[in-house]
Amino acid sequence: QMQLQESGPGLVKPSETLSLTCTVSGYSISRAYSWGWIRQPPGKGLEWIGSFYRGGTTNYNPSLKSRVTISVDTSKNHFSLELSSVTAADTAVYYCAGDHNSAWYFYWGQGTLVTVSS
Amino acid sequence: EIVLTQSPGTLSLSPGERATLSCRASQSVSNNFLAWYQQKPGQAPRLVIYGASMRASGIPDRFSGSGSGTDFTLSISRLEPEDFAVYYCQQYGNSPPELTFGGGTKVQIK
Repeated sequence: QMQLQESGPGLVKPSETLSLTCTVSGYSISRAYSWGWIRQPPGKGLEWIGSFYRGGTTNYNPSLKSRVTISVDTSKNHFSLELSSVTAADTAVYYCAGDHNSAWYFYWGQGTLVTVSS
Repeated sequence: EIVLTQSPGTLSLSPGERATLSCRASQSVSNNFLAWYQQKPGQAPRLVIYGASMRASGIPDRFSGSGSGTDFTLSISRLEPEDFAVYYCQQYGNSPPELTFGGGTKVQIK
């Protein structure tokens, strides 16, 4: 059974880079087809940030593309998110997710709240 | 970019009643790449329906999805207490490749 767990700082200063890691257990990260990051501002809806696909392709939300990098480390069985030049608008619960296809996500982490504040 | 509009914003129903949730896309969703998620407070979303009409693993058969093109529906035949939650639709487009979510429908106890 695949399990995902986000980790990283809960507080980031404005203009700095938000960095999160999603550790996958119970499954080899190289076997699934798609891994992604989704966020949810407090009291609001879900927003896709980007996805990494088996084979090396990465796609990002156009509204965030200039600030986002998603990478995968198969040796550590984890994948990461970096979001640069953050502002208060980036305050959200960040979820990592995975699946065997590219179109939806069955497996989700529990989410981690990241607050952008000085 | 395909925009998904969910209606109604809030649905107030009693246990045992039928719930019908709508998701309308601004352009046709290719290959029925449309999914529905259930989210309860403080929890991650849970995949309910994928491929517009396929129930995800562990989802009871009172949940059903239908639709194609630009109009999709999630139905819950008889609401159980654990079904009261927020539901999001989500589409996957491959040109360019991206996922988008609808704004959500809250199903609350009347």
